[in-house]
Amino acid sequence: ETGVTQSPTHLIKTRGQQVTLRCSSQSGHNTVSWYQQALGQGPQFIFQYYREEENGRGNFPPRFSGLQFPNYSSELNVNALELDDSALYLCASSPPASPTDTQYFGPGTRLTVL
Amino acid sequence: DQQVKQNSPSLSVQEGRISILNCDYTNSMFDYFLWYKKYPAEGPTFLISISSIKDKNEDGRFTVFLNKSAKHLSLHIVPSQPGDSAVYFCAASRSGAGSYQLTFGKGTKLSVIP
Repeated sequence: ETGVTQSPTHLIKTRGQQVTLRCSSQSGHNTVSWYQQALGQGPQFIFQYYREEENGRGNFPPRFSGLQFPNYSSELNVNALELDDSALYLCASSPPASPTDTQYFGPGTRLTVL
Repeated sequence: DQQVKQNSPSLSVQEGRISILNCDYTNSMFDYFLWYKKYPAEGPTFLISISSIKDKNEDGRFTVFLNKSAKHLSLHIVPSQPGDSAVYFCAASRSGAGSYQLTFGKGTKLSVIP
């Protein structure tokens, strides 16, 4: 069984640019959540996708957007990058109607904005 | 406002002894709690969880205790092993919210000394 995978591993962008991060969910999981982890902080919820629709959003501006595809993989897009967007971006997947709400995380994408 | 708090940034324990990691929460709507372990350059790995209808859950060397009246939970690791050295995150969610987003603490770095 393949776990959650993310690409790329590392990324360097300059302020004002746009970035797309990708996530493949664990086999059998149809829900994908994205989190931002700044240095020294815990992960912060960005949004969640279920059946290709956004299903909940944290306190992030509209320049953070996402997609989920029919195979349940997902993308996180960030427009007009700011220095504070530098962080580890984590994707997590969970099974359908998981009563335990356990989310399984990928290794993350480290984004640096210069 | 931080709804999940881990007030100890770090903890050092001798190998073979007990490690106790603490977590407090302020949102009384939270009804599911999880602990994740994170090694550098990896995503968080699910460790153990507990529902608010229980006050204890055990899995091998790991036990989580929940005190709802105090809004406090703790993770006990017995006996501690050097491989347990990692950052431990406490997370909480609430059912019925639709998106099952996780709210994380800032983490506690555990060092198990051989």
